[in-house]
Amino acid sequence: EVQLLESGGGLVQPGGSLRLSCAASGFTFSSYAMSWVRQAPGKGLEWVSSISSSGGATYHADSVKGRFTLSRDNSKNTLFLQMNSLRAEDTAVYYCANGGIYYDSSSWGQGTLVTVSS
Amino acid sequence: EIVLTQSPGTLSLSPGERATLSCRASQSVSSSYLAWYQQKPGQAPRLLIYAASSRATGIPDRFSASGSGTDFTLTISRVEPEDSAVYFCQQYASSPLTFGGGTRVEIK
Repeated sequence: EVQLLESGGGLVQPGGSLRLSCAASGFTFSSYAMSWVRQAPGKGLEWVSSISSSGGATYHADSVKGRFTLSRDNSKNTLFLQMNSLRAEDTAVYYCANGGIYYDSSSWGQGTLVTVSS
Repeated sequence: EIVLTQSPGTLSLSPGERATLSCRASQSVSSSYLAWYQQKPGQAPRLLIYAASSRATGIPDRFSASGSGTDFTLTISRVEPEDSAVYFCQQYASSPLTFGGGTRVEIK
């Protein structure tokens, strides 16, 4: 069974940092592109970032470019999202999902809530 | 950036009725890299359709989809109470990946 388990969310002050993790199991993690998608309270889905299966290529939404860094450790089946210079508008549930450019997202984690507030 | 516009915003139907959801792209979505997701309150999205018209594993055959280029449609042939949810389309052909604003399906 495919499982994606996010962690690392929480309350952070504006300008602060958080590192999200996504632990994957039940599939060959190193063969899949991976992505983060977020959803602000009561709003729609917003793609954040994607990374290729090898980690050699990353893509980011303009809204997070220069502030968020996406990486992966294929030896530990784990995806990371380093979020710096956080803003109130980054407040959202962050979902880890397989897929990316040219690949649909057939599996999603349960999400982790990030709240940016003073 | 490919902007996806979904309509209608809300669809209110009785069980057994047909639901037709539209997703229009601001430019052609290459190779039909378009997906549809269902999201129920408090849950993660679930993949329904990929490649514009292929049902994902375990999705009932009352869900079907079609389209190419800039116009895509998701159809629920006979809605059931458990189909009450928000439905999103997504293009994954190019960065930035984008989602439509969603269509809420309400079952009377």
